[in-house]
Amino acid sequence: DTAVSQTPKYLVTQMGNDKSIKCEQNLGHDTMYWYKQDSKKFLKIMFSYNNKELIINETVPNRFSPKSPDKAHLNLHINSLELGDSAVYFCASSQDGAVYGYTFGSGTRLTVV
Amino acid sequence: RKEVEQDPGPFNVPEGATVAFNCTYSNSASQSFFWYRQDCRKEPKLLMSVYSSGNEDGRFTAQLNRASQYISLLIRDSKLSDSATYLCVVNRGGTSYDKVIFGPGTSLSVIP
Repeated sequence: DTAVSQTPKYLVTQMGNDKSIKCEQNLGHDTMYWYKQDSKKFLKIMFSYNNKELIINETVPNRFSPKSPDKAHLNLHINSLELGDSAVYFCASSQDGAVYGYTFGSGTRLTVV
Repeated sequence: RKEVEQDPGPFNVPEGATVAFNCTYSNSASQSFFWYRQDCRKEPKLLMSVYSSGNEDGRFTAQLNRASQYISLLIRDSKLSDSATYLCVVNRGGTSYDKVIFGPGTSLSVIP
């Protein structure tokens, strides 16, 4: 069973479109995250939710809106996609991540054309 | 200065070699530390946590030096399967959702 699963795996879309990425974890973790890995391979945190509540919101354009219907799901909706949004987006979860670390999904490779 | 910095790569080493990576962090309040490995076009996976007393897992040894604010990873008897990017991870706070900073990674290629 996949611990953290995200869909779709690949997403190619035109500038200006709106798209969503879904993430689900079956680990029973309380905290979920969205990370962005750009072409230079830097992994940067975007959002963190703890038990459905937004905890961390890094400097991310408000075109990005996370939604957590329950603690096992954290979806990411992106409005008005731009070329610079092209990256790999990773969902992750943790339970006491400061001690045990984080489990990542396999990533969504977003290409905006 | 970036908050977490790593040795520039790539490291190209022959099978069986010992290789060491260093990582420095700037925030002295940082409380927990990890090494992750990321294979090409895959997600990062936890390799090991880094404890103040140092810890070892098979061929891998991690050390933390709080006074100098660096952590290290030593890989002994390198295998071809060790080829990957190694990410140093620093958690500033004491809770799972405190800010986590990933280093830029160091690329390792183990050559036959």
